[in-house]
Amino acid sequence: GAGVSQSPRYKVAKRGQDVALRCDPISGHVSLFWYQQALGQGPEFLTYFQNEAQLDKSGLPSDRFFAERPEGSVSTLKIQRTQQEDSAVYLCASRGRATDTQYFGPGTRLTVL
Amino acid sequence: ILNVEQSPQSLHVQEGDSTNFTCSFPSSNFYALHWYRWETAKSPEALFVMTLNGDEKKKGRISATLNTKEGYSYLYIKGSQPEDSATYLCARAGGADGLTFGKGTHLIIQP
Repeated sequence: GAGVSQSPRYKVAKRGQDVALRCDPISGHVSLFWYQQALGQGPEFLTYFQNEAQLDKSGLPSDRFFAERPEGSVSTLKIQRTQQEDSAVYLCASRGRATDTQYFGPGTRLTVL
Repeated sequence: ILNVEQSPQSLHVQEGDSTNFTCSFPSSNFYALHWYRWETAKSPEALFVMTLNGDEKKKGRISATLNTKEGYSYLYIKGSQPEDSATYLCARAGGADGLTFGKGTHLIIQP
């Protein structure tokens, strides 16, 4: 079956632009996670959804970052007024009910100029 | 240990040789330890999830061990092949649902 997909794979934005990153989780997976990987670092947790409920957003770095999952499947991570420090790979992962394993998408590489 | 730490940061290994690397993590409030393999331009691939002290898991030529009391895990690759070249990430699951990752070990297999 299909894995987690993310779009776009690459995004270049000018500083100050808004961007929206999409994640399509594995069908039927209840849990969805967003991570940010800056250059030379490991992925860092941003936010977690269970179905449509955002249960943890403690990792979002500022109020410019907003995530939603309105119907409990596809999720969008939105970054407003992008800054250069937002340049990173944004990873999405989903997890089924009876497993601890998080399945990752290929990521979106965001470059802010 | 306050964070998840991996060593070495990078590693060059001759094809056919065996190798191993380390993940250290806070042992308090531990739930599970995850290993992922991440090849360039692909999705991170889940290798193992381990929860119990003394756990050993194996997948083909790759195996992993877990010591939750002292807070470390080893990943072993036997008879390295060029397709093993990747970044290997470990991640700790604690009280929250998000994973805490190390910076990874970048493995290059030289033919």
